[in-house]
Amino acid sequence: EVQLVQSGAEMKKPGESLKISCKGSGYSFSSYWIGWVRQMPGKGLEWMGIIYPSDSDTRYSPSFQGQVTISADKSITTAYLQWSSLKASDTAMYYCARHRDWLRRGTYFHFYGMDVWGQGTTVTVSS
Amino acid sequence: DIQMTQSPFSLSASVGDRVTITCRASQSVSSYLNWYQQKPGKAPELLIYAASSLQSGVPSRFSGSGSGTDFTLTISSLQPEDFATYYCQQSYSTPLTFGGGTKVEIK
Repeated sequence: EVQLVQSGAEMKKPGESLKISCKGSGYSFSSYWIGWVRQMPGKGLEWMGIIYPSDSDTRYSPSFQGQVTISADKSITTAYLQWSSLKASDTAMYYCARHRDWLRRGTYFHFYGMDVWGQGTTVTVSS
Repeated sequence: DIQMTQSPFSLSASVGDRVTITCRASQSVSSYLNWYQQKPGKAPELLIYAASSLQSGVPSRFSGSGSGTDFTLTISSLQPEDFATYYCQQSYSTPLTFGGGTKVEIK
């Protein structure tokens, strides 16, 4: 079975660091882009960034560039999302998801839908 | 960044109704447009990719159309399990962006 399993809920204080994980199984982990999506309480979906585990090529949304770090360890089929200094405004549900396919045209990458999702990791930041 | 605008923000419909949700991109995204369904407390699920391709396992009452900047998700006969929030997403260029969502409620 193809699946992504995320790490458990986290409760942190402002200023603390955090790294959450997303472990893939049942498919060739290195060959599919993995994206991260934020959903703040009662709000919509926000795309944070994407990584290609094979070579760790990473793209960020400008809204999240410099605020988080996306990484992956293909040897253990796991992607990560980390913060160096959390803020209360980072309180949200975070999802990882796999893109079902992608296409490269020159320097441009186009992606197809996110077909496999993790169960989500709730991050709560409060003093 | 490409902005995605969905309409309506919410709608009320009855079981058996035909429902249409629209999504407009601020610039052409070709056919790199996806639709997701999200139920409360659950992760989103992919319904449609590449504007009109039905994801495996998704009921055929869901369909997508459009290209360029204007897209439509249609549910031909609304079922009780379809009451949820629907999101469009362009995957033509990074940053990939989602629409604001359309909540489909029971009338």
